[in-house]
Amino acid sequence: GAGVSQSPRYKVAKRGQDVALRCDPISGHVSLFWYQQALGQGPEFLTYFQNEAQLDKSGLPSDRFFAERPEGSVSTLKIQRTQQEDSAVYLCASSLRRTGDYNQPQHFGDGTRLSIL
Amino acid sequence: SQQGEEDPQALSIQEGENATMNCSYKTSINNLQWYRQNSGRGLVHLILIRSNEREKHSGRLRVTLDTSKKSSSLLITASRAADTASYFCATYAGGTSYGKLTFGQGTILTVHP
Repeated sequence: GAGVSQSPRYKVAKRGQDVALRCDPISGHVSLFWYQQALGQGPEFLTYFQNEAQLDKSGLPSDRFFAERPEGSVSTLKIQRTQQEDSAVYLCASSLRRTGDYNQPQHFGDGTRLSIL
Repeated sequence: SQQGEEDPQALSIQEGENATMNCSYKTSINNLQWYRQNSGRGLVHLILIRSNEREKHSGRLRVTLDTSKKSSSLLITASRAADTASYFCATYAGGTSYGKLTFGQGTILTVHP
């Protein structure tokens, strides 16, 4: 079936604007992750959803970052009052978690490249 | 913050040669995974090795894990130009980590035809 879909692929915003990034996970996947990837670096964890519940948001860098997954499928990552240091690629990943088993691969979308001017 | 380091940061080889990448990590893990990322694309899962495993194979890939040294290596045999990409190791700590992965900084592999 279809993979993880993210939109938009590219987003340019002026400093201070709000942005919303969308993730469509693989159908039926219970777990959804957001990661931030700076240029030349590995991805860094932002937040985790199990269905609609946000169980871990320890990686969100500030209270300007907010994520939701209201119906347990599509997720949105919102960044308010954007700053230049928010420029990065934002990756979404999903996986099919069986109870108590996290020994499963994560399936990544192609990311949204966010540039703040 | 990044879990650990990957070595080398960049590797350039000829088609047909083997490529070896190393990964070190800092904390105890439940499993370690390797991912590939082509330029401008998302990450693709390659292989997962659990903490109680020492070696795993998948096609041209061979992964080893030494938990006493907190290190892993990825060997790609008979490399192809299409293997050109960045390679990342990622660790899952277990417990209440909910599957959260901690990535290394990656190795950029270039395979010349």
